[in-house]
Amino acid sequence: AQSVTQLDSQVPVFEEAPVELRCNYSSSVSVYLFWYVQYPNQGLQLLLKYLSGSTLVKGINGFEAEFNKSQTSFHLRKPSVHISDTAEYFCAVMKASGTYKYIFGTGTRLKVLA
Amino acid sequence: SAVISQKPSRDICQRGTSLTIQCQVDSQVTMMFWYRQQPGQSLTLIATANQGSEATYESGFVIDKFPISRPNLTFSTLTVSNMSPEDSSIYLCSVELGLADSYNEQFFGPGTRLTVL
Repeated sequence: AQSVTQLDSQVPVFEEAPVELRCNYSSSVSVYLFWYVQYPNQGLQLLLKYLSGSTLVKGINGFEAEFNKSQTSFHLRKPSVHISDTAEYFCAVMKASGTYKYIFGTGTRLKVLA
Repeated sequence: SAVISQKPSRDICQRGTSLTIQCQVDSQVTMMFWYRQQPGQSLTLIATANQGSEATYESGFVIDKFPISRPNLTFSTLTVSNMSPEDSSIYLCSVELGLADSYNEQFFGPGTRLTVL
């Protein structure tokens, strides 16, 4: 079975500072990895995904993530955050066998301070 | 991509009653999913609803508690029956679309925030 751990439930950061949101996963099989963002009162929006190939994945809104197989991590980074990045961020995995089932982490609330 | 709407966006209900949540998508899709997001917890898949067949429920979820309808390729409903305060959650529907890179991406609705008193 797969599992996802997001150790940081909340991350406060000042505007224009860099941020890293951590995600670790466990799986005995190959997985796809995802980061979703949820703005207040909105659905989840895909930020980026890793399916295969380059381990550094670039997504929307200036976010990127690096897949590290040896450390089973998929940390999300942004070099300079904006107030508008304040949201809940979810890491998720899916078995790379074509199944549709996501396993989500518990989420990290990013709060960008002025 | 897909645009998904849900009704109601939020509701406050009394225990023992039932609420039906509607999910409408702007394109025809085969697979629709219902998730629950309990306060401070991650999203949990309740069931998969394919048009023309019975919904498939995940462990811990049963049809009597969460009956689902899927009358056509653009619409689904989830009913939360005989509610208790423990059912207070955000309920989200999502749909799966096949994309060019052979990965079927899921798109999520805005969610229905349910509070049970």
